[in-house]
Amino acid sequence: QSVLTQPPSASGTPGQRVTISCSGSRSNIGSNTVNWYQQLPGTAPKLLIYSNNRRPSGVPDRFSGSKSGTSASLAVSGLQSEDESDYYCAAWDDSLNGPVFGTGTMVTVL
Amino acid sequence: QVQLVQSGAEVQKPGASVKVSCQASGYTFSSYYIHWLRQAPGQGLEWMAWINPYTGGTKYAQQFEGRIVVTRDTSISTAYMELSSLRSDDTAVYHCARSSIVITDLIDFWGPGTLVAVSS
Repeated sequence: QSVLTQPPSASGTPGQRVTISCSGSRSNIGSNTVNWYQQLPGTAPKLLIYSNNRRPSGVPDRFSGSKSGTSASLAVSGLQSEDESDYYCAAWDDSLNGPVFGTGTMVTVL
Repeated sequence: QVQLVQSGAEVQKPGASVKVSCQASGYTFSSYYIHWLRQAPGQGLEWMAWINPYTGGTKYAQQFEGRIVVTRDTSISTAYMELSSLRSDDTAVYHCARSSIVITDLIDFWGPGTLVAVSS
C-alpha cells in the first residue's frame, strides 16, 4: 500500500510546465530526502531525481525537484511527448526502516 | 554496466510458494543492498524487503512477515525472494533493486521485473 499521496493524473501541452505534488509525514519526507522515478509502460522504474533536487547523469534539466516540510514536488518544464509516463515519489520511512512510495501520477501530453 | 537479471515469469496456484532470483553484475555485489518490491496490475509500487549482501541481514515489511524469506548467494552475486502461502492478490510484477550500503535510502537501479501470477 502507498504511504505517500500524489495526484492520479496531470497533463499539459508540449512546452508547458507540469508539477506533481507528493505528500507524506514526519517519519518519511519530514525526516529524509525524496527521490522521484519515471516508469514507462511495461518497464522498470528509472531514477529521475534524488536527494530532493539532484539529477542523475543523463536526466534533462527540464526535470527538477523540491521539498518543504513533509511535502515534495516534481516539475517538468518544456513538456515533451516522451515525458508521457507514470511518476512516483519515494522516501525512506524511519518507522518502517524501508522505503515508501507515492500513489503515482500519470502525466499525459495533450 | 550495472545489470540486475531476474528469473522468468511464474504461474502458481493459491497456497503455493514462489522463489524469484536476481543476479547482479557490473558492480560490487556486497556494497549494495538488494530490495524486493512489487507492483500489482495497474497499481503502485510496494516495498517488501531488503537484504544486506555483505552481512546477510534482512528487513521485511510487516505485511509480509512470516510469508517472505530473502536470501543471497555471494559466490554468484544473486539474491532470492521466496513468498509462500500465495493468494490471488499476490499477482504482481516483482522487482529487485539496489541501494548503496552507504546511502541506503537511494534505490538507484531496478531489475526488469518478474511476473508472478497466482491462479487456480
